[in-house]
Amino acid sequence: QKEVEQNSGPLSVPEGAIASLNCTYSDRGSQSFFWYRQYSGKSPELIMFIYSNGDKEDGRFTAQLNKASQYVSLLIRDSQPSDSATYLCAVIRNAGNMLTFGGGTRLMVKP
Amino acid sequence: DAGVIQSPRHEVTEMGQEVTLRCKPISGHNSLFWYRQTMMRGLELLIYFNNNVPIDDSGMPEDRFSAKMPNASFSTLKIQPSEPRDSAVYFCASSGQYGTVSYEQYFGPGTRLTVT
Repeated sequence: QKEVEQNSGPLSVPEGAIASLNCTYSDRGSQSFFWYRQYSGKSPELIMFIYSNGDKEDGRFTAQLNKASQYVSLLIRDSQPSDSATYLCAVIRNAGNMLTFGGGTRLMVKP
Repeated sequence: DAGVIQSPRHEVTEMGQEVTLRCKPISGHNSLFWYRQTMMRGLELLIYFNNNVPIDDSGMPEDRFSAKMPNASFSTLKIQPSEPRDSAVYFCASSGQYGTVSYEQYFGPGTRLTVT
């Protein structure tokens, strides 16, 4: 079992719809959770982080964390073609500072 | 604010040559990370420094790879000798860590390395 798992996609949604990206992790001691967006040929860009159970909203983005079920998700409301990218889930597993990345989910928003 | 700076942005070299990648972290950050990204293996952590000291180098693939951080504002990743399988995009990232609290990592633009 991989430490951080994501469906590779592509996930295709129409413009204006809600895109839902999911991530599961294996280490129950994981403490911090991050979502990065990576456009083709570019570096990962941090878009959300969440440390506590529940929801965290920032503009059109909502991160959801459920530690009991060991999953974290990212919702993108009113999806735009410019949101088309690969979304990487990353986890800090313990009190250290090392990110473990999932393989990423490719999102395609169709006009 | 300047972000993480990496150089060169592109490097093409022949097998057997030495390659040196450079990174300047964000000012005030005390943790620095080197990653490698390929289609096959995704994004992999190679080595992590905290306060200029290497903390975990378990991701360094083999002895041909070495990394240094002589001061808080500069790090190098060296490959000697380089091989075609080292072709990848190498990212540097930095963050703050104070006690057990870790902060978000910010990535540089990457160096695309091609070894022929």
